[in-house]
Amino acid sequence: KQEVTQIPAALSVPEGENLVLNCSFTDSAIYNLQWFRQDPGKGLTSLLLIQSSQREQTSGRLNASLDKSSGRSTLYIAASQPGDSATYLCAVGTSGTYKYIFGTGTRLKVLA
Amino acid sequence: NAGVTQTPKFRVLKTGQSMTLLCAQDMNHEYMYWYRQDPGMGLRLIHYSVGEGTTAKGEVPDGYNVSRLKKQNFLLGLESAAPSQTSVYFCASSYSERGAGNIQYFGAGTRLSVL
Repeated sequence: KQEVTQIPAALSVPEGENLVLNCSFTDSAIYNLQWFRQDPGKGLTSLLLIQSSQREQTSGRLNASLDKSSGRSTLYIAASQPGDSATYLCAVGTSGTYKYIFGTGTRLKVLA
Repeated sequence: NAGVTQTPKFRVLKTGQSMTLLCAQDMNHEYMYWYRQDPGMGLRLIHYSVGEGTTAKGEVPDGYNVSRLKKQNFLLGLESAAPSQTSVYFCASSYSERGAGNIQYFGAGTRLSVL
C-alpha cells in the first residue's frame, strides 16, 4: 500500500531564504506526482505536476524534482516571500488507477 | 469561468440526518473526485468517477454514496450522518488521467459538523 510522508510538518523561515520541502513515498511504481498549495480555509491549487518519466518541473520560483528509485520528491522555493506562507501537499498518482495518495503536508510560514 | 463549485460551504447536521453535497465543474472534465480532509491525516479519497454515469470506491467509501448523472455534476450523499463524518470535504476534477490533463482542480471545500 502506497504511503506518502512529508517532513517536516511545519517550517518557519525568514523572507528571502531558499528552502526545500520533502515528500517521500513507499512504492516507486508511480504514474506521476503533484505538488499543491493550500491556503487556510481554502481548496488546493496545483503547483507542479511531474510525470513518472520526468526528473523535474519548474514554474517561476518553484522547482520540483522526482527520484522514483529512492521514493523522493522535493519542492524547491527560491527567494521565499511572506505570500508563500501556506500548507504544501504532495500527492502521488498510482500506476493503473486514477487515484492520488496525499501526504499530510508541510505548513510553511515565511517571516517578513 | 467558475472552475469547481461546491455547495454548501458549511453545514451542521445531527446524528442520523441525511444530506447531499453538490459539486459542479464547468471545464468539461471527465474525471471527478470526492475527498475528505482531517487533521493529521491528509486528504483521503472517498469516491471518484471517470465519466458520466460511472462511479467507483476510493479509500474510505463507507457511509457515503455518490452519483454522476450529468458530466458536470458529482453528488456526495450521507444517508445517516455520524460524528466520525465531521470533516472538510473537497471535490476535484481533471480532464484525463494522462499527462498535463491529470492536473486536479479543487473546489473551496464544504465544512461539515455532525453533532
